Amino acid sequence: QKEVEQDPGPLSVPEGAIVSLNCTYSNSAFQYFMWYRQYSRKGPELLMYTYSSGNKEDGRFTAQVDKSSKYISLFIRDSQPSDSATYLCAMSSSNQGAQKLVFGQGTRLTINP
Amino acid sequence: KAGVTQTPRYLIKTRGQQVTLSCSPISGHRSVSWYQQTPGQGLQFLFEYFSETQRNKGNFPGRFSGRQFSNSRSEMNVSTLELGDSALYLCASSSGQGAGRTEAFFGQGTRLTVV
Repeated sequence: QKEVEQDPGPLSVPEGAIVSLNCTYSNSAFQYFMWYRQYSRKGPELLMYTYSSGNKEDGRFTAQVDKSSKYISLFIRDSQPSDSATYLCAMSSSNQGAQKLVFGQGTRLTINP
Repeated sequence: KAGVTQTPRYLIKTRGQQVTLSCSPISGHRSVSWYQQTPGQGLQFLFEYFSETQRNKGNFPGRFSGRQFSNSRSEMNVSTLELGDSALYLCASSSGQGAGRTEAFFGQGTRLTVV
């Protein structure tokens, strides 16, 4: 079983819809949680960065972390065709130093005009 | 502020050869990590360097090595290339210390094809 599980999709929704992307994890030591967006043939772009449990909002994006359920979510409101990309969740534990991100497989999202 | 720069963007190498990839992190960042991305395995951690020292290492064979220079630039080397080493190699930059130390910013990657 992988440390981080993410439904690879593909997920296709109409423009303007609310999108919900999710990851589950098994390592209770994870404390830092990130969402990245990756366009084809590009590097991952950091969208959201959160520490421990709670919610964080940035524009149309909201990240939620529920450590008790080992479950994280990313919500995209008023989705746009430009949001079409692969979304990757990533996480890290504090005792791994600055970086040893563990990634989900990524969810391929398409927003249809 | 310049982002993370990786060179070259594309490489084609023959099995058995070796290759060196380069990464220049964001100015002021002292941590550089390397990841391999393949369709089958996704993104996997290779190693992390902080202030010229390897601080973390993933589960890759010894053919994969790296180093970091005093200006924080990093290189990654793969020796005796195998077909399975074909992948997108990504470099991530972070401050490496203090609050937000795990906030990682990626470069565009180097796409390596082994033939």
